[in-house]
Amino acid sequence: EPEVTQTPSHQVTQMGQEVILRCVPISNHLYFYWYRQILGQKVEFLVSFYNNEISEKSEIFDDQFSVERPDGSNFTLKIRSTKLEDSAMYFCARQGGVPEAFFGQGTRLTVV
Amino acid sequence: AQSVTQLDSQVPVFEEAPVELRCNYSSSVSVYLFWYVQYPNQGLQLLLKYLSGSTLVKGINGFEAEFNKSQTSFHLRKPSVHISDTAEYFCAAHSGNTGKLIFGQGTTLQVKP
Repeated sequence: EPEVTQTPSHQVTQMGQEVILRCVPISNHLYFYWYRQILGQKVEFLVSFYNNEISEKSEIFDDQFSVERPDGSNFTLKIRSTKLEDSAMYFCARQGGVPEAFFGQGTRLTVV
Repeated sequence: AQSVTQLDSQVPVFEEAPVELRCNYSSSVSVYLFWYVQYPNQGLQLLLKYLSGSTLVKGINGFEAEFNKSQTSFHLRKPSVHISDTAEYFCAAHSGNTGKLIFGQGTTLQVKP
């Protein structure tokens, strides 16, 4: 059973459209993260979320990105107006007291 | 600058041969170090981690890694690889107070029969 469940597994969207990627951690943990992996490249940190607030964000995480935990369970990443270069695999991760991150299976976003 | 460097982008090896995947980290990141494996079209699975204590850490699937502070390295090894070990391997370091991970570029391990 995965530690973190992400939906959808694959999403195709038109440039300029809004997308919402969802993450459901199996158990309650303190820290949540979003990472991105452009095809053939390394995994890059986007944002960390602690106690229902952004605790750190990278340069990639500009104004078109937002995160929230609307119902105390789901953890979402919203991209307001997608661009071709947003095409990537997006991973959600969670971490508890031990500095060890558990990743979901990822959502492959394709912007056309 | 905070960085993790994987020196080899691809490592081809024959089945049952030993393998070492190299990883170096900058001294500005913490010494919480990890190796993750990514099989084709799948997510990231934790192979092993170094948090403290013994510098030789053992992980799943017969992999082990050695933390070397003086050389700022955390190389991954396996004495005998299988075809099923073919995958992308990422070295990562814990960074900062928020626990984010800094990843290396990844190494593709190609095990040939």
